[in-house]
Amino acid sequence: QKEVEQDPGPLSVPEGAIVSLNCTYSNSAFQYFMWYRQYSRKGPELLMYTYSSGNKEDGRFTAQVDKSSKYISLFIRDSQPSDSATYLCAMPGSSASKIIFGSGTRLSIRP
Amino acid sequence: DAGVIQSPRHEVTEMGQEVTLRCKPISGHNSLFWYRQTMMRGLELLIYFNNNVPIDDSGMPEDRFSAKMPNASFSTLKIQPSEPRDSAVYFCASSLERVSLHFGNGTRLTVT
Repeated sequence: QKEVEQDPGPLSVPEGAIVSLNCTYSNSAFQYFMWYRQYSRKGPELLMYTYSSGNKEDGRFTAQVDKSSKYISLFIRDSQPSDSATYLCAMPGSSASKIIFGSGTRLSIRP
Repeated sequence: DAGVIQSPRHEVTEMGQEVTLRCKPISGHNSLFWYRQTMMRGLELLIYFNNNVPIDDSGMPEDRFSAKMPNASFSTLKIQPSEPRDSAVYFCASSLERVSLHFGNGTRLTVT
């Protein structure tokens, strides 16, 4: 079993829709959780991170963590074509140096 | 701030040749990571440096791969000899704290 599982998509939704992106993880020791966004032919960039269970909001983006279910989500409200990208969840792995990335979900927002 | 700078952006080489990828991290960052991204395996950590010292190289696939960080502003990843299965996008990232990795735009390597 992979430590972090993420549906690769692709996911295509119309502009203005609410998008839900999800990851599951297996290690209950993970303490903080991150979402990275990667545009085509670019490196990933940190979008949001959270240390605790519950919700964290930043503009149109909300990160949600459910530690009891080992499940994290990223919601995008009022989605825009500029949100079209691959979204990767990430969390620290078993050793201090490793940050484990999910495989990424490719998202396309149709105008 | 120019961000993490990687060169070259694209590299096409023949099997058996030596390949050297270069990275200039963000000034002041004390951690540097080399990742490889493929469709099949996603983003994989190859090696991690802290204060120019290699801390974890358990992700380096085999002895054909080597990485150096001679000073705080420069790192190289070398593959010798290269093989077609090494074809991937190689990313360098730097950070001051582990939560926020700053990635370069990668080097797309094709080995024929």
